[in-house]
Amino acid sequence: GNSVTQMEGPVTLSEEAFLTINCTYTATGYPSLFWYVQYPGEGLQLLLKATKADDKGSNKGFEATYRKETTSFHLEKGSVQVSDSAVYFCALSGSGGGGFKTIFGAGTRLFVKA
Amino acid sequence: EAGVAQSPRYKIIEKRQSVAFWCNPISGHATLYWYQQILGQGPKLLIQFQNNGVVDDSQLPKDRFSAERLKGVDSTLKIQPAKLEDSAVYLCASSRFSGRMPDTQYFGPGTRLTVL
Repeated sequence: GNSVTQMEGPVTLSEEAFLTINCTYTATGYPSLFWYVQYPGEGLQLLLKATKADDKGSNKGFEATYRKETTSFHLEKGSVQVSDSAVYFCALSGSGGGGFKTIFGAGTRLFVKA
Repeated sequence: EAGVAQSPRYKIIEKRQSVAFWCNPISGHATLYWYQQILGQGPKLLIQFQNNGVVDDSQLPKDRFSAERLKGVDSTLKIQPAKLEDSAVYLCASSRFSGRMPDTQYFGPGTRLTVL
């Protein structure tokens, strides 16, 4: 079946450092890929998405490229801020059972120090 | 537009008791999801509704969990009887339904359940 694997956390960075959170997936067909973020005390919200191979999703300085050849969707940001401290979830959504089923990774907690 | 509403926000019960959670999705969203998120893990889909029909309930422990979405709008998730391992955050989400590709899901704040 489909699955998502993302790097374990926590990840601790200093402000303005470069961020990469790795995400790889296994899936049949052509799923859509997502990054969701959960800020402290808040609900999950979509950060960015990509719906087909080679698409790049971007938002708030974050980027991720849908790489079918390496089955990856790594999240990157060139310069993190303290306000980026949160838990980041990689997810895929593929067809099955009459609808689209979403599977989430375990999440990666990011701490950014001033 | 108003977001996904859930209640209660917190619930503490003893094992073998029953509990119910309520969710009101974003107006016009045809698809509604219930997820279980155990501490340190990602959300796991329990049940997915398309309007008032069930699309996927393959991971719902049907001996103790039940869910309904009457009239295709709000939904309730019930656990009866609860076990210690049911302690988790229960998330409700909703999305539009384009039919052609997965839609962005909008999440509610969740209900944190503690079973003692």
